[in-house]
Amino acid sequence: DTAVSQTPKYLVTQMGNDKSIKCEQNLGHDTMYWYKQDSKKFLKIMFSYNNKELIINETVPNRFSPKSPDKAHLNLHINSLELGDSAVYFCASSLHGSNEKLFFGSGTQLSVL
Amino acid sequence: AQTVTQSQPEMSVQEAETVTLSCTYDTSENNYYLFWYKQPPSRQMILVIRQEAYKQQNATENRFSVNFQKAAKSFSLKISDSQLGDTAMYFCAFMKHENSGYSTLTFGKGTMLLVSP
Repeated sequence: DTAVSQTPKYLVTQMGNDKSIKCEQNLGHDTMYWYKQDSKKFLKIMFSYNNKELIINETVPNRFSPKSPDKAHLNLHINSLELGDSAVYFCASSLHGSNEKLFFGSGTQLSVL
Repeated sequence: AQTVTQSQPEMSVQEAETVTLSCTYDTSENNYYLFWYKQPPSRQMILVIRQEAYKQQNATENRFSVNFQKAAKSFSLKISDSQLGDTAMYFCAFMKHENSGYSTLTFGKGTMLLVSP
């Protein structure tokens, strides 16, 4: 069983569209994250949720709206997609929010045309 | 804010040889954690090794070991007996210890390691 699973793995869409990426973890972790990896492979935190509550929001445009229906799920909805949103988006989870080891999903490659 | 610097965009090594990847970081924190993550062509992020700043002993995981120099804010990764499967992008990452219990990883820009036969 995959520990942190993201769907879809690939997403190709037109500018202006709205899309969602889903993430689920079956590890019983309390904390989940979204990271963005740009075209130069640089990884940066976007959001962190603990037990369904938003903990960290790193100045991400409000077109990005994470939603956590329960602590095992953290979905990312993106409105009005722009060319600059093209990237790989990684979901991750950790047991708690401090020094714990992060488990990453396999990433979603988003291409905005 | 913390920064992590990896000064080697690319490195190459032959199979069975040893290679060292460099990482320096800047922080005013005293309690923190350092990590090396590996990202092979499959894109999966895999934790290679982890070091707590309060521990003087360098972490080791099989063929992977670190040289942690806290005063110099340096955290290099040594890969011994390199294997073809070690070919990947390697990211150094920093996480500060938060009293609130919530913290996130700050990554370096990565070093692409190519292991050749």
